[in-house]
Amino acid sequence: NAGVTQTPKFRILKIGQSMTLQCAQDMNHNYMYWYRQDPGMGLKLIYYSVGAGITDKGEVPNGYNVSRSTTEDFPLRLELAAPSQTSVYFCASRGQGAPRETQYFGPGTRLLVL
Amino acid sequence: KNQVEQSPQSLIILEGKNCTLQCNYTVSPFSNLRWYKQDTGRGPVSLTIMTFSENTKSNGRYTATLDADTKQSSLHITASQLSDSASYICVVSAETGANNLFFGTGTRLTVIP
Repeated sequence: NAGVTQTPKFRILKIGQSMTLQCAQDMNHNYMYWYRQDPGMGLKLIYYSVGAGITDKGEVPNGYNVSRSTTEDFPLRLELAAPSQTSVYFCASRGQGAPRETQYFGPGTRLLVL
Repeated sequence: KNQVEQSPQSLIILEGKNCTLQCNYTVSPFSNLRWYKQDTGRGPVSLTIMTFSENTKSNGRYTATLDADTKQSSLHITASQLSDSASYICVVSAETGANNLFFGTGTRLTVIP
């Protein structure tokens, strides 16, 4: 299993540009998450999904959109990039969502908005 | 309010020494507590998981303890190695809710030769 994969690894955007961060998992997990991690700070939940076709907002959803058309993929869309969105973005997945299920993280996408 | 607090924020120790990281939480209803290790530039990786009935759990040189009464956990690292340099994140799961994971801000550990 590849686990959770994310692309790209690093990207520089200009203010106002848009992009999609890709996330895929091959563990047949129902639950998927997007987090952002600012320097020296903890992980903050942006959006999550409990299954294909179902998404919900996390703690910091403004400026982002998600979709979940398949179990495997959970892309994160930035429509109008702002400097405040400079961060490292982590995608994660979990099995049935039961509390004991381990959450597996991808390697992260480092985004710089100038 | 469900919260997870970790201390210290950062720590520098000499190679070979031991250290202990702390985690206090107010998550309710409590399900389990995990410690994750996050190497620089990588995603977090689970080290241990502890449920309400477990007081101690070891994973090699890592030993986690849980006091469910005082809602405190610690992660003890024995005979530290340079490869232990990382951030250690405490994550507490609540029993219910799709969004039931609560993250601490982490302790940044640096092991120096």
